[in-house]
Order: sequence, then C-alpha cells, then structure tokens
Amino acid sequence: QKEVEQDPGPLSVPEGAIVSLNCTYSNSAFQYFMWYRQYSRKGPELLMYTYSSGNKEDGRFTAQVDKSSKYISLFIRDSQPSDSATYLCAMISRNTGNQFYFGTGTSLTVIP
Amino acid sequence: EAQVTQNPRYLITVTGKKLTVTCSQNMNHEYMSWYRQDPGLGLRQIYYSMNVEVTDKGDVPEGYKVSRKEKRNFPLILESPSPNQTSLYFCASTSRIHMAAFFGQGTRLTVV
Repeated sequence: QKEVEQDPGPLSVPEGAIVSLNCTYSNSAFQYFMWYRQYSRKGPELLMYTYSSGNKEDGRFTAQVDKSSKYISLFIRDSQPSDSATYLCAMISRNTGNQFYFGTGTSLTVIP
Repeated sequence: EAQVTQNPRYLITVTGKKLTVTCSQNMNHEYMSWYRQDPGLGLRQIYYSMNVEVTDKGDVPEGYKVSRKEKRNFPLILESPSPNQTSLYFCASTSRIHMAAFFGQGTRLTVV
C-alpha cells in the first residue's frame, strides 16, 4: 500500500464550479499537510499548509485535514481557468526528517 | 524575493558525460532535497540534506551524488549519466520550523 493515495483524474469542470480534491494516507504520524499547484513545465508551488487537524481558508481555497480518517481535502470555490493545473498533496512528520510523501497529483482543467 | 534557483533549466547531454545541476536557496533553510518527476510516478526523492555536510539517500539515489558544503547550495552530480536518468528534476528547500518545501523551477534533463 502506498503511503499517500491521490486520484490522478483528470478532472474537468466548468468555470465557477466548486472543486474537491482529496488524498488518503496510511501513516498516522504525519503532522504537516500541504497542497501544491503545479503548472505544466513549472515547479510545484505551495498553495496551502496545515499543521495537524482542522480547516484552513485562503481566498477561494480551503484545506481540510481529518486525522482520524487519514483524509485531506482541498476545495476550490468559484474555479477559474487559471486554476487549471496539477494539484499535489504532500505530508511529513518530524520523525521522518526531510522525507516528504507526495501524492501522484490530480490534473484539473477548468473550462471557460 | 525568496526563491530556490536551479541551473540549467534545460540540458541535453550524452551518455557518460559527467554533469552538475546547481541549486541555491536564499531563505536560510536547513533542509534541502532533490527530486525527480516522471509521468505516472510522481515526485521521487533522490537525496536530501538536513544540514551542512549531512546528506542521506532518498528513494532513488542510484547514479546520483550530492554535496552540501554551504547552507545555501546543494548541487546534484551525475557522474556517468544514462538514458534512464532522463527526467524533470526539482530542488527543494525546507525550513525545519515550518516543514513546508519550496521548489525550484526545475531542470529538464535529456540523456541520449
């Protein structure tokens, strides 16, 4: 079983839709949870960062962490064509040093 | 501007010709890593460093070398590149306080 599972998509939605992206994980020791956005041929860009369980909101983006279910989500409200990218979840524990565990990414296309 | 800078961005080389990809960060981060990204396989960690003169293997270290002589620099060395090392490479730096990784723009390497 992989440490982190992420549905690769592709996901295609109309402009203005609410998008839900998800990851599940198996290691209960993970403490820090991140979402990255990666445009084609670019480096991953940190989008959201959460420590432990709970919700975090930043503009149109909301990250949720449910440690009891080992499940994290990223919601995008009022999606825009500029949101078209691949979204990667990532997580790490201080016990794993600098070893991040990444999902394989979900490809999202927002159609105007 | 806080950033991770990789050079070169694009490189085509021949099998067996030694090459170095440089990485520099200006955020005073303690941790640095190298990843390769291949279609369907996601991001895989090659090597990481938790401090100057401290490096360790990631998931796919074969055929690569690294060094960390200064806090800001973490070069990736391919002593004898082979075609299976054709990939997109990313350097990342991480603060040991916040544990979020910041990525460079990537180096697309082709070995023929």
